[in-house]
Amino acid sequence: QLVLTQSPSASASLGASVKLTCTLSSAHNNYAIAWHQQQPEKGPRYLMKVNNDGSHIKGDAIPDRFSGSSSGADRYLTISSLQSEDEADYYCQTWDSDIQVFGGGTKLTVL
Amino acid sequence: EVQLLESGGGLVQPGGSLRLSCTASKFTFTSFAMSWVRQAPGKGLEWVSAISGGGGTTYYADSVKGRFTISRDNSKNTLYLQMNSLRVEDTAVYYCAKDSGIVGPTPLTYFDYWGQGMLVTVSS
Repeated sequence: QLVLTQSPSASASLGASVKLTCTLSSAHNNYAIAWHQQQPEKGPRYLMKVNNDGSHIKGDAIPDRFSGSSSGADRYLTISSLQSEDEADYYCQTWDSDIQVFGGGTKLTVL
Repeated sequence: EVQLLESGGGLVQPGGSLRLSCTASKFTFTSFAMSWVRQAPGKGLEWVSAISGGGGTTYYADSVKGRFTISRDNSKNTLYLQMNSLRVEDTAVYYCAKDSGIVGPTPLTYFDYWGQGMLVTVSS
């Protein structure tokens, strides 16, 4: 079964960096994923697609502070120079032939 | 910029029906698969259904199979979700989402644009 696992919460200080993790089920560890940001009371926004080789394709107007990487079954979203507006929920998404799957989301708090 | 505008949400009683619409603009609608994604109050995102660009192939999550029907009218650049036999647990904000359309081994890929969402409340 295709499953994505995310930690429920993360926190980091203003101006610091944070690395969020999304883990694929072991049988699907070569799949690409996409990261989406959902700020409070807003709809989701596509950030980037991350491939299993760590390459990534960003969405429109996504700042350079956001980057993606990969290791094994883990896909990462790194946000550097944290700003207050980065406080949001972050979801990873993957897909197969007839299904879309989301991780449970990580709530990022900027201290 | 791509725009997706949902409409048709509201309050409905359990067992009732509702049809959601999503009007798209600023891209070639017929070239891209589209999906509905929902978010129950205080919960995460849940994929509901998808449809191919031409409308000939549809996909459903097990939680809505047999109750919901996705369709599209490419002449109107509009996506629909017909929801029947609604349950309290279908209460959520419903988003339409555009597939990236990147060519690959699967017909579905990631979402690169989202609508603003609309609330559907199922309650007596």
